[in-house]
Amino acid sequence: GAVVSQHPSWVICKSGTSVKIECRSLDFQATTMFWYRQFPKQSLMLMATSNEGSKATYEQGVEKDKFLINHASLTLSTLTVTSAHPEDSSFYICSARGESRSGNTIYFGEGSWLTVV
Amino acid sequence: QKEVEQDPGPLSVPEGAIVSLNCTYSNSAFQYFMWYRQYSRKGPELLMYTYSSGNKEDGRFTAQVDKSSKYISLFIRDSQPSDSATYLCAMNPGRRALTFGSGTRLQVQP
Repeated sequence: GAVVSQHPSWVICKSGTSVKIECRSLDFQATTMFWYRQFPKQSLMLMATSNEGSKATYEQGVEKDKFLINHASLTLSTLTVTSAHPEDSSFYICSARGESRSGNTIYFGEGSWLTVV
Repeated sequence: QKEVEQDPGPLSVPEGAIVSLNCTYSNSAFQYFMWYRQYSRKGPELLMYTYSSGNKEDGRFTAQVDKSSKYISLFIRDSQPSDSATYLCAMNPGRRALTFGSGTRLQVQP
């Protein structure tokens, strides 16, 4: 089946630094990738929709200058958390839309735990 | 009112029981319905994907969609302790981001 790989799985960084998270579709081309954030015991919150070769579309309340998203190829999207603060500590998950006979199957990466100290 | 409503649980059942998980939704534009399983500290794993009303079966899992009632269900037969996880319903009107339910925590007791 389709696989989405996310890296790193967990990262600890100092407050004020930037962290990059990669999301790769391993065996399919993903024209659209989605970035989510999830707090403990809560559901996934969509942060932005990333289309290959164009600017990401951010959800209301998500700072685009803080959460930089780049989707440079059909298999790779990156999320950079800039000037991270402890309140940015969270579980970040990417997903990618893979083409199937049904045309609309979305697969998730394993997620990345970010802890800002 | 949320677009997708899902009882957060927790739902505790004995091993071997039939589990019924449900979601209701309000947006009639939703056409694609999915169920994901999420283990603690992991990304969601796609379990079932349905488009039309009716039932779809895959092993011990059956997904049911009733568009007229805006109601979807996931049934798990012969539940196992390894099924203990959070189950998320998700849906979208087409080629857009998913709208998720809040997730139901399931605990299958051995």
